[in-house]
This record gives sequence, structure tokens and C-alpha cells, in this order.
Amino acid sequence: GENVEQHPSTLSVQEGDSAVIKCTYSDSASNYFPWYKQELGKRPQLIIDIRSNVGEKKDQRIAVTLNKTAKHFSLHITETQPEDSAVYFCAASEEDSWGKLQFGAGTQVVVTP
Amino acid sequence: NAGVTQTPKFRVLKTGQSMTLLCAQDMNHEYMYWYRQDPGMGLRLIHYSVGEGTTAKGEVPDGYNVSRLKKQNFLLGLESAAPSQTSVYFCASSSSGYNNEQFFGPGTRLTVL
Repeated sequence: GENVEQHPSTLSVQEGDSAVIKCTYSDSASNYFPWYKQELGKRPQLIIDIRSNVGEKKDQRIAVTLNKTAKHFSLHITETQPEDSAVYFCAASEEDSWGKLQFGAGTQVVVTP
Repeated sequence: NAGVTQTPKFRVLKTGQSMTLLCAQDMNHEYMYWYRQDPGMGLRLIHYSVGEGTTAKGEVPDGYNVSRLKKQNFLLGLESAAPSQTSVYFCASSSSGYNNEQFFGPGTRLTVL
């Protein structure tokens, strides 16, 4: 089955700097890669996703890149703000897997003023 | 719309007791999922359903049972709770299983003594 590894497990950044989280996946059949943000005590919420026919996607200060050959994808947050502090999860899913997501272990991002 | 709701929010059980967690969604979604979240391990899929009357095993199904008698509800049962089942349980739903956003409930924090 699919295995998703996520690094780093914790990330501390100064407000205004950029944050990058990287994930690798094992199954070349995976073709959907969402990123979820979970604030303390809250539910995970989708912030951005990318499909395998696209190499990069941006949404304001957030971007995701995908390298299918190397089987890795990354989340980039620019101009970080205190409200970006949260745990971020990457995930991967195959087309014929009934939407089942294999999640990474998560990255705790702390943005310090 | 309430989205995805979960009952109860918190519960403490003794080893060997049973309980049922209820997930309800009002978005007319076909697909529903149960995850458990443990520190440092991300979200792991327990069971899922692709429509009313269907259920299937996920990554960590042992010790749990599920039922989807109505499209809007997905029940997770623990027949004989064990301390290893202490976790935060999240339910999620999506309109289809193909590359679609999963909407999560607020979670249930379960402690088994």
C-alpha cells in the first residue's frame, strides 16, 4: 500500500519568512495530493490540493509543487503570519481507491512574531 | 448547514466497555470515513463507506465495527474497549471518492482506562 513520509516534524519560522514542508510517497499510482491544516483542538481542513497532471498550484501565500518522477511534493507558505501556526498534514490518494487518503505524520509549524 | 457533526465530544471508558460514536452529515455526501489520530502518527483510516448500506476496512480496522444504515449517518462501534484505543476519532465525508475534498467533523476524544 501507499506510504507517505513527511518532513520536518516541527518547523519554527520568524514571522514574514517562508516555510517549506516536504512529503514523499511510495505508490506511483497515486494521483491526488491534498494538504490539510489543523489548528490546536480543531478539525483538519483542506487548504490546497494538486492533481498529478499539474506541477504547481498557488493560492495567495500558499503553493504546492509536485515532482512525479521523484515521487515527492511540497507545501510552500510565504510571508508567514502567526495565524499560520498549526499542524500541517500531507496526503496521497490513488484514483481507484474510493478516495482513501494516506496521511503523513504531520508538521508542527510555529510562527514567532 | 451544520456540515459534519460528531457525538459525543468526549468520553471516558473502562477497559472492556462498549460504546458507539455517531457521525452525521447534512451535505448529501456518498462517501464517509472514520479516522483515528494519535500523536506523531497523522490520521489513520479505520473504516469507510462508499454509500448507504456499504462498509469497508481501512488501515487499522481491528477492534472496531461500523454501520451505514442511513446515508447521512456513519456509526463507529467499539465492542470491548482497550487502552490502545485511546485516541481522537475524526469522521469525514466527501461527495465522491475521486479526488474530492474530505470534510471533517470536530472529533471525539476517547480515553480508555
